[in-house]
Amino acid sequence: RKEVEQDPGPFNVPEGATVAFNCTYSNSASQSFFWYRQDCRKEPKLLMSVYSSGNEDGRFTAQLNRASQYISLLIRDSKLSDSATYLCVVTGGTSYGKLTFGQGTILTVHP
Amino acid sequence: DGGITQSPKYLFRKEGQNVTLSCEQNLNHDAMYWYRQDPGQGLRLIYYSQIVNDFQKGDIAEGYSVSREKKESFPLTVTSAQKNPTAFYLCASSIYGTPVDFGEGSWLTVV
Repeated sequence: RKEVEQDPGPFNVPEGATVAFNCTYSNSASQSFFWYRQDCRKEPKLLMSVYSSGNEDGRFTAQLNRASQYISLLIRDSKLSDSATYLCVVTGGTSYGKLTFGQGTILTVHP
Repeated sequence: DGGITQSPKYLFRKEGQNVTLSCEQNLNHDAMYWYRQDPGQGLRLIYYSQIVNDFQKGDIAEGYSVSREKKESFPLTVTSAQKNPTAFYLCASSIYGTPVDFGEGSWLTVV
């Protein structure tokens, strides 16, 4: 089993749609969780951290369920500019600061 | 401005050659990482370093070598032992528990 697994995608949605991505992780000792966004042929950039209580940043909402070892990202009112690959990232546990990335989910928002 | 600088951005390697990718950061981060990304794939960890003069193998270290003589620098050498080196290479740095910052990446192609 992979350490971090994401929905395979790709997701193709119209503008204005709500879309959700899921991610599961296998190491119960994992401590920090993030969502990164990666545009084509560019480096990943931090989208948001994920907290146990859930957190929201504008149209984006992240949730963490430690009991189920599950992370989600919800995007409301999708924009064309949201088209990108979304990477689930998990860190901590037994290796200091080591980040483990999911394979990414491709999102395409069309007019 | 603070950040991570990778060079070169594009590099061509002949079979049997060693090449070195540079990574410099002025963020005063303790931890530095090298990741490899293949088309349509997530990021895979090659090597990481928590402090100067110390580094650990990641998931795909075979055919690669690194050094950490200075806090700011973490160069990656792709040796001739790496049989399939064509990929996008990303350097990153972080303070433990905080999100990772990435350089813009280096594209390596074997010709």
